[in-house]
Amino acid sequence: KAGVTQTPRYLIKTRGQQVTLSCSPISGHRSVSWYQQTPGQGLQFLFEYFSETQRNKGNFPGRFSGRQFSNSRSEMNVSTLELGDSALYLCASSSDPGSNFFYEQYFGPGTRLTVT
Amino acid sequence: QKEVEQNSGPLSVPEGAIASLNCTYSDRGSQSFFWYRQYSGKSPELIMFIYSNGDKEDGRFTAQLNKASQYVSLLIRDSQPSDSATYLCAVKGSQGNLIFGKGTKLSVKP
Repeated sequence: KAGVTQTPRYLIKTRGQQVTLSCSPISGHRSVSWYQQTPGQGLQFLFEYFSETQRNKGNFPGRFSGRQFSNSRSEMNVSTLELGDSALYLCASSSDPGSNFFYEQYFGPGTRLTVT
Repeated sequence: QKEVEQNSGPLSVPEGAIASLNCTYSDRGSQSFFWYRQYSGKSPELIMFIYSNGDKEDGRFTAQLNKASQYVSLLIRDSQPSDSATYLCAVKGSQGNLIFGKGTKLSVKP
């Protein structure tokens, strides 16, 4: 079974631009979560999508948005990029987010975003 | 703000020894607990999950959970240099998302 895939793997953008990152979950997984990882803050939760609906959202500004398509693929968008948005953006998929217990998440390889 | 705390390390152990990694969490309602391993430059890899109090063993790894003390640990027996990585503790919060600690860096010396 193929794992979680993310594109692109690396991206360099300029302040003020916007960026769209893509994530394809493991086949059969309907939940996709996005995280930002930086050396100082660690892994921080951005949002989770399940069946094309945002189920949960972290404490990030509105410049960060996402969506999920009917095939469970997800995109996240960051508008008006700031230098502090430079980070590794990770996507994780899960099969059953509705369960209290079984919530194993599997991560993709990430997209390394550098804002100059 | 729900938190997950880990000692940042680095934790250094000799090859063949037992490495003990610890994690505490603040949300008493948490029910699902996970350990991820992250090699430098790579994404986190799920290595263990535990839902019930007590121990859960998988090969050289043992996860231990004590909900009363709000404490989770990971033991790695017969540590190998290939185990050198950052280990992330994650807890499923009451809102449904995973909350991660900042990780403990483990170094296994040959």
